[in-house]
Amino acid sequence: GAGVSQTPSNKVTEKGKYVELRCDPISGHTALYWYRQSLGQGPEFLIYFQGTGAADDSGLPNDRFFAVRPEGSVSTLKIQRTERGDSAVYLCASSQPAAGPGTEAFFGQGTRLTVV
Amino acid sequence: AQTVTQSQPEMSVQEAETVTLSCTYDTSESDYYLFWYKQPPSRQMILVIRQEAYKQQNATENRFSVNFQKAAKSFSLKISDSQLGDAAMYFCAYRDSGNTPLVFGKGTRLSVIA
Repeated sequence: GAGVSQTPSNKVTEKGKYVELRCDPISGHTALYWYRQSLGQGPEFLIYFQGTGAADDSGLPNDRFFAVRPEGSVSTLKIQRTERGDSAVYLCASSQPAAGPGTEAFFGQGTRLTVV
Repeated sequence: AQTVTQSQPEMSVQEAETVTLSCTYDTSESDYYLFWYKQPPSRQMILVIRQEAYKQQNATENRFSVNFQKAAKSFSLKISDSQLGDAAMYFCAYRDSGNTPLVFGKGTRLSVIA
């Protein structure tokens, strides 16, 4: 696609429910990143995929958070038993490592998750 | 772990004037990359400018330039001839060599006054 696409744009869910957030990266980008941005804060790293595998998941806050990228393209961030503290904007970014280490990461418009 | 600090939560500038946003970072690496991203209300982060640490020359992109002081671990953004469309959140970010994740500061909200 022309850019990184994230769906849904907004998601309201009840405390305790399960949610899935989708990221469709730029075609051909092998690196994919998830970040979480709380109100008034900068984005915080959650997980990084290189191809299909999670190269670094050290930012996932607990085992309620999980992400997959089964075919090395689309990724889904899954949150179980949502809590009000999970409310934030979830940003996805992709990049092409072959272009060099300083290559730009392209971001989607994020999913605003609200847990009520 | 690397950290990025933006000490100005909010800044304002008159249209057509110049403003400088501050950023400091902490790292033990010698080779790394620094970025400034702009985030308008649409939420999409847009790259403004990047700097490779091994380059002594400061990066410039049209009205945007940086003052990179490697020894001081400082990376400020200067916006010249400010325009109303420059109003946004600005984030300073750091990345090691390689495709490690970006580390962001908390951001500076820039207002442009007509």
